Amino acid sequence: KAGVTQTPRYLIKTRGQQVTLSCSPISGHRSVSWYQQTPGQGLQFLFEYFSETQRNKGNFPGRFSGRQFSNSRSEMNVSTLELGDSALYLCASSSSWQDSPLHFGNGTRLTVT
Amino acid sequence: SQQGEEDPQALSIQEGENATMNCSYKTSINNLQWYRQNSGRGLVHLILIRSNEREKHSGRLRVTLDTSKKSSSLLITASRAADTASYFCATDGGAQKLVFGQGTRLTINP
Repeated sequence: KAGVTQTPRYLIKTRGQQVTLSCSPISGHRSVSWYQQTPGQGLQFLFEYFSETQRNKGNFPGRFSGRQFSNSRSEMNVSTLELGDSALYLCASSSSWQDSPLHFGNGTRLTVT
Repeated sequence: SQQGEEDPQALSIQEGENATMNCSYKTSINNLQWYRQNSGRGLVHLILIRSNEREKHSGRLRVTLDTSKKSSSLLITASRAADTASYFCATDGGAQKLVFGQGTRLTINP
């Protein structure tokens, strides 16, 4: 079974631009979660989608948004990029709500200059 | 906000020794999970322990959970160079799917 795939692997953007990151979950997984990882804040939950609906949302500004398609693939978008948005963005899929481990992709490393 | 807090932040031991990492959390949980992350990669699930369990084993891993103290420990026995990674505990944080601690950076020296 193929793992979680995130594209692109690396991205360099300038302040004020917007960016879209993509995540393909493990086949059959309907839940997709996004996390931001930085050295200072660690792993911060962004949002979770299940069957195309946002089920949970973390404490991030509205510049961070996401969506999920009918095939469970997910995208997240960050508009009006700031230097502080530089981070490793991780996507994870799982098969159910509770007691189901998260399966992570290798992330997208976003650098904002 | 962080639910789980790992201790120590960094740990360096010799190959073959045992490594113990601790995790403390603040609110009641249904389960606690441990993940490993190699540098610049995604996290890999290691083990899940439910709130009604006290100890769980998986290969060279042993996890304990003390809900009265809101703490958990991860023991890696007979460490290997390949165990060098960051280790995170994660708890089901209510509205959030999983809330991760800051992690313990483990270095195994040959």
